Order: sequence, then C-alpha cells, then structure tokens
Amino acid sequence: SYELTQPPSVSVSPGQTARITCSGDGLPKKYAYWYQQKSGQAPVLVIHEDSKRPSGIPDRFSGSSSGTMATLTLSGAQVEDEADYYCYSTDNNGYPLFGGGTKLTVL
Amino acid sequence: EEQLVESGGGLVQPGGSLRLSCAASGFIFSAYWMHWVRQAPGKGLVWVSRVNGDGSVTTYADSGKGRFTISRDTDKNTLYLQMNSLRADDTAIYYCARGYRGADNHYYFNLWGRGTLVTVSS
Repeated sequence: SYELTQPPSVSVSPGQTARITCSGDGLPKKYAYWYQQKSGQAPVLVIHEDSKRPSGIPDRFSGSSSGTMATLTLSGAQVEDEADYYCYSTDNNGYPLFGGGTKLTVL
Repeated sequence: EEQLVESGGGLVQPGGSLRLSCAASGFIFSAYWMHWVRQAPGKGLVWVSRVNGDGSVTTYADSGKGRFTISRDTDKNTLYLQMNSLRADDTAIYYCARGYRGADNHYYFNLWGRGTLVTVSS
C-alpha cells in the first residue's frame, strides 16, 4: 500500500536550519502539504501545494518537492517551532494520507 | 471567525456506541467536504471518513467501514460520526476538519477543530 515516509525525529540548535523530508512514490504527481502539531493542540497547516505558505505562517517555513521527496525547511529554527510535523498527500485512490510524523526538537 | 467545535467524546465499553458532533460556524458549511481524522495516544494522524457538501457521498477508511457512519445536518451546520462496535484500538482524539480542494484537485484540510477524546475501555 502507498505510504508517506518521514524520519521519526530531527534535532537542531536554535537558529540552525532544520529539514524534514517526506518520501512517497506518488509525490511526483501530487502536491505535498505540511502540518505542525504542538503538544496538546490541533494540527495547523504550514505549507500547502508543495511550497505555498498560508497567511500568518512565518517566512522561515518553506517547502519544496522534487521527484519522490518533499521537504519542509525551517530556516533559523526557534524554540517555539518545536512540534510534530506531518506531511500529507493522497493515496492511489485519492484518499487522504498522512506521513508518520517527525518530532522536531530545538535545543 | 471560522470555527469547528467537536463534542460527544467520552469513555465507552468495548462493543458500545458513541456519536460525535462537530459544530461549524463562520463559513458556508454546505460548500465544503468535511472529514474526521483521529489520533491515538502518542501516535500520528489517521484519516477516518469524509462526506460531501450535501451529505450524499461518503467514504471511509478500512478501519471504520461497516462500523462508522458519517453524516451532516446543513440546517444545524453540524457534522456527525456515529461509531458502533467500538474497540480498544478506536481510542483516540477525533478531530473534524474542513476539506479544501487543492490545485491538483485533491483535498487537504485547512481548518481543524480542537478534537474530542474517545476512550474505549472496560
């Protein structure tokens, strides 16, 4: 079955650049989306359609996609960016599909 | 302000039933597909079900087929999830989410509620 694969964890120091990857065979044909979920909170959309940033999302968040891999980049990560990040797309039948999530630690 | 507020969660015994509700406000409810997404304790997000704007088209993940029923009342601006034959592995926070069509004609979620916790245990 189709899957979106993310690393379980990524760690960076404050001010460094964090990159979170998402691998999926369908990504060359479909957009990737990224959600941030802080502890005890609902998910928040931070990137849509591979690289677009919703209003209100800081410009240190950016997204890209090439071939079977999408990447979420935090340029100058801050302590407040510590959260779980989920990539999202759709499976071969068009059903919603999330990656397993990546825990970003900033310390 | 656009808002989704879930309710109806709680503790239920294995084999029992529960109906979740999601009250929508601040947008034209009938114009959007609506979804349920769940998250087991300490685990990731998993899509559960979706319904189109007028309630005539529904889809379920395999985990809920035959047990869950999604519906909506456009007069009350409310989304529902009827869950029957509940199992321990249905224990999760259940979020309702608004679907939005992306440029590739696939849907993503651009508005979420805060979730309601369902615990299935004896």
